[in-house]
Formats: sequence, structure tokens, C-alpha cells
Amino acid sequence: AQKVTQAQTEISVVEKEDVTLDCVYETRDTTYYLFWYKQPPSGELVFLIRRNSFDEQNEISGRYSWNFQKSTSSFNFTITASQVVDSAVYFCALTAGLNYGGSQGNLIFGKGTKLSVKP
Amino acid sequence: DGGITQSPKYLFRKEGQNVTLSCEQNLNHDAMYWYRQDPGQGLRLIYYSQIVNDFQKGDIAEGYSVSREKKESFPLTVTSAQKNPTAFYLCASRVASINQPQHFGDGTRLSIL
Repeated sequence: AQKVTQAQTEISVVEKEDVTLDCVYETRDTTYYLFWYKQPPSGELVFLIRRNSFDEQNEISGRYSWNFQKSTSSFNFTITASQVVDSAVYFCALTAGLNYGGSQGNLIFGKGTKLSVKP
Repeated sequence: DGGITQSPKYLFRKEGQNVTLSCEQNLNHDAMYWYRQDPGQGLRLIYYSQIVNDFQKGDIAEGYSVSREKKESFPLTVTSAQKNPTAFYLCASRVASINQPQHFGDGTRLSIL
């Protein structure tokens, strides 16, 4: 079965705190892609990052960083020095069925983590 | 500016009524998707289309129908058979390459009158 688990339903932090959003995935595929999206209160999903299964390098983009570990099937997202504008729901997603066919690369989403950053 | 336009932003449905949600993209993307979002449930796939004149059911297609007559348009009809249509509906599109991200519209919030 292919699945994405975001165990943290809601997280609340105070501005300038660091926060890590967890994402654990399950897949039989050897080739797959992982994504993070941000959904602000306005509703649209904003693409943040893509990682392929062959590249375990961590990535940093400004205050955002991502830690991909195949050994634990995790793709965690850290926001450093959080700001009120970071308040949103964050989704982790997995491209499904690339090796075992059928889904044509559709995304499987986790249920999301709602992050609230208080001033 | 290129993007995905969903309309209307808010929609109300009466009992027994079919309603159609519009999704238009000018990104020249091949694939298009419809998702339903309920509180605490994440996004669930309703229908998707990889090319014009072809589409497939997703995980929760019952009570919904789609068409893909033009590359840029993928309207979703919520039929009266969908007994619990109140939700936030998101349309997305993507280039043909499966390693590329999907891009999303602003969504349509559908409620029952």
C-alpha cells in the first residue's frame, strides 16, 4: 500500500521558534517523488519542494529546510525562526505507482499539518 | 500571467440540483485533476485527465462527472447523486512529466442550501 502519514494534526509556536513538520511515507516503488505544499488561509496550494527517491541530499531555501531519509521513509520539513506568515496547512505528497503501474503518477497526500505561528 | 482559474469561488446547491465547477488553465499543461478537501481529511482525488478527450476515475468519483473537450478546460459536475457535496474543491494541472509538481487553482467552496 502507498500512504503518506503526517502525524501532527496541529502545531502552535511563538514567532521566531523553529518548528519541524513530520512526513512518513510508504511505497513499494523504487522510483518515486515527494512534495511539500503550503495551503494558506486563502485556500490555494503552493508548491514548495520536490525530491526524487535517488537524491537524499538535504535542501535549504532561506528559512526552510528539508531532511529526506530513505532509511526511515521520512521527508521532514523545518522552518527556522518562524514568522506569522508561515501560518498555514502544510501537506506532504507522494507520487504513486511509478514502478507498479496504474496511477500514472498521481499524488497521494497526507492529511496535512496546521501550523499556527503566534506573534 | 499563467495560471489556473476556478470559478465560482463560492457555490450553493439546492437539493436534487446538479452544479458545475469551472477550471481553466493557460499553462499549456497536459494533465488536469480534481480534488475534494474536507476538514482534517487532506485532498482526495475525484477525477483526472492526462490528455484531451480522456479521463479516469479517482478514489471518490461516485456522484461526480467531468469532461475534457479542450486542453485548457476540465469542468466538474457535482450531480444530485452526490449526497454529501459540501466541501472545498481544488483543480490542479501538470505538464506531462510525472516528476513535475501539480499547480493548483484557488478552489471553489460548495455548500448545500
